Amino acid sequence: DTAVSQTPKYLVTQMGNDKSIKCEQNLGHDTMYWYKQDSKKFLKIMFSYNNKELIINETVPNRFSPKSPDKAHLNLHINSLELGDSAVYFCASSQDPVAKNIQYFGAGTRLSVL
Amino acid sequence: GENVEQHPSTLSVQEGDSAVIKCTYSDSASNYFPWYKQELGKRPQLIIDIRSNVGEKKDQRIAVTLNKTAKHFSLHITETQPEDSAVYFCAAKGYSGAGSYQLTFGKGTKLSVIP
Repeated sequence: DTAVSQTPKYLVTQMGNDKSIKCEQNLGHDTMYWYKQDSKKFLKIMFSYNNKELIINETVPNRFSPKSPDKAHLNLHINSLELGDSAVYFCASSQDPVAKNIQYFGAGTRLSVL
Repeated sequence: GENVEQHPSTLSVQEGDSAVIKCTYSDSASNYFPWYKQELGKRPQLIIDIRSNVGEKKDQRIAVTLNKTAKHFSLHITETQPEDSAVYFCAAKGYSGAGSYQLTFGKGTKLSVIP
């Protein structure tokens, strides 16, 4: 069973569209994250949720809105997509961000905005 | 907030040689330092980590060293093999305010092991 799964794996869309990426973890972790990895492979945290509550919100445009219906899910909705949003988006989860923060990553969603 | 610098950005070694990747961090309160390996088209995966009360940790061909005073830590891979080719990320866990902690990642090192 995949520990952290995200869908879709690939997403190709036009500028201006709205899209969502879903993430689910079956590890029983309390904390989930969204990262953006650009073409230069830089991993940048976007959001962090702990028990459905937003605890980190980096300087991300408000076109990006995370939604956590329960602690096993953290979805990412993106409005009015722009060319610069093209990247690979990784979901991750961890059990104990205080002690260690071992993060388990999903397989990534490659978003291409045309 | 935490700032992590990683060097070099690319590294090529002959198979069997050693590879060393270095990182520095800015927040002296950071206390956990993992290393992730990301193969082409795959997800980042934890390969080794170290806590700030330990100076060195080894796991087979991989070792990590930490110098808290100088605020730097390094990944050492010995007897490199072609399957070690990947992008390696260092990270530091620091306090980001309001009771939350996060990992700050370095920009990655692309390691190529030449057969």
